[in-house]
Order: sequence, then structure tokens, then C-alpha cells
Amino acid sequence: AQRVTQPEKLLSVFKGAPVELKCNYSYSGSPELFWYVQYSRQRLQLLLRHISRESIKGFTADLNKGETSFHLKKPFAQEEDSAMYYCALSNTNAGKSTFGDGTTLTVKP
Amino acid sequence: DVKVTQSSRYLVKRTGEKVFLECVQDMDHENMFWYRQDPGLGLRLIYFSYDVKMKEKGDIPEGYSVSREKKERFSLILESASTNQTSMYLCASSGPGVSGELFFGEGSRLTVL
Repeated sequence: AQRVTQPEKLLSVFKGAPVELKCNYSYSGSPELFWYVQYSRQRLQLLLRHISRESIKGFTADLNKGETSFHLKKPFAQEEDSAMYYCALSNTNAGKSTFGDGTTLTVKP
Repeated sequence: DVKVTQSSRYLVKRTGEKVFLECVQDMDHENMFWYRQDPGLGLRLIYFSYDVKMKEKGDIPEGYSVSREKKERFSLILESASTNQTSMYLCASSGPGVSGELFFGEGSRLTVL
């Protein structure tokens, strides 16, 4: 069975500080991992995916298969980064995704 | 832009009522999903469909059913609503070649009294 764990429900940092949102997974196959973000009063949307290895809005995430982790990082947090973040794992079965419980990030001025 | 539209943003129903939640996508996606979103519990998959008239149970299908008569439309049905089904319901779709990326609707907030 596939499982995604986000150990922090709440995370608060000051503007300009580094931020790391943790995500660990368990999956027997080769995972496809994603970070989704939901800003206040907006729909849930893709932030980034591990296969593209890109940086979006200053965020990066590296898949570490040895530690089964996919942590989301940003070196200098901005107030507009305040949102709910979900880590998700997708298998090849019709793109079925399993989500973590989410982390609410608050960036204080 | 992919558009996933959930027709009802807010609903208030009474216990025992039948509830229909409608979802339409305009990108010809094969796969459609219904999740419920609850604080501290993340998103939990209720049902999904990878083709017209096909459906698969997700992780929490009890108390729900679905219908997919047309490719663009995926309906979630609560045959007899209960208070523990008060939640935010999210519809999503995905297509081939996007490695499982989901496109979400704005959500339907259901309150069952």
C-alpha cells in the first residue's frame, strides 16, 4: 500500500527565513511525487513534480529514494507563500494519487 | 487552461436527504476523481473513474456512489446524507502524458444538519 506522511501540521517562519516542509512516503514501486498548494480561497493546484526537477516560485524538492523523502524547500520564505501544502504520490493506476495530511505554512512579516 | 467546474459551491442538506455533486471538465481527460478534504486528514479518495461508465472505489467509498455517463462529467451521489459526511468535496481530473498531475475544481462545501 502507498502512504504519504507529512509530520508537521503547522509550520511558522519569518519572512526571509529558510523553510522546509517534510514529506516521507512508502511505496513498493517507482514513485511519482508531487507537491500541491492551496492558497486562501483558491483551488488546489500543482506546485511542482519530481520528474521535472524544476524550481517553482523559488521552491525545490528532491526525491531521496534512500530516505524515501521528498521534502519541499525554499531558501527565503515570502509572506505570499503562506498556504496549505500537500505532498502526493501517484501510481500508474489511472493516475490515482495518495495525499499526505497537509502542512499549513504561515510566513510572518 | 484546464477547467474543472463543480456546479455547487455550498450546499446545506438534512440528514437522510439524497445529494448530488456535479463535476465537469473541459480538457477531454480520461480520469476523474472525487476526494473529500477534512482538516488534519488531508485528501481522501472516495471514487475514481478512468473511462465512461467505469468506476473504482477509492479509500473511503462507504456511503457514496458515482456516475459517469459522459466523459466530461463525473457525479458524486450521497444516497442518504449523514452528519459525518459534512465536508469539502473536491473533484479532479487527469489525462495521459501528465504523469498523474491532477487538476482540481474549486470544491463543494457540504453541510449536513
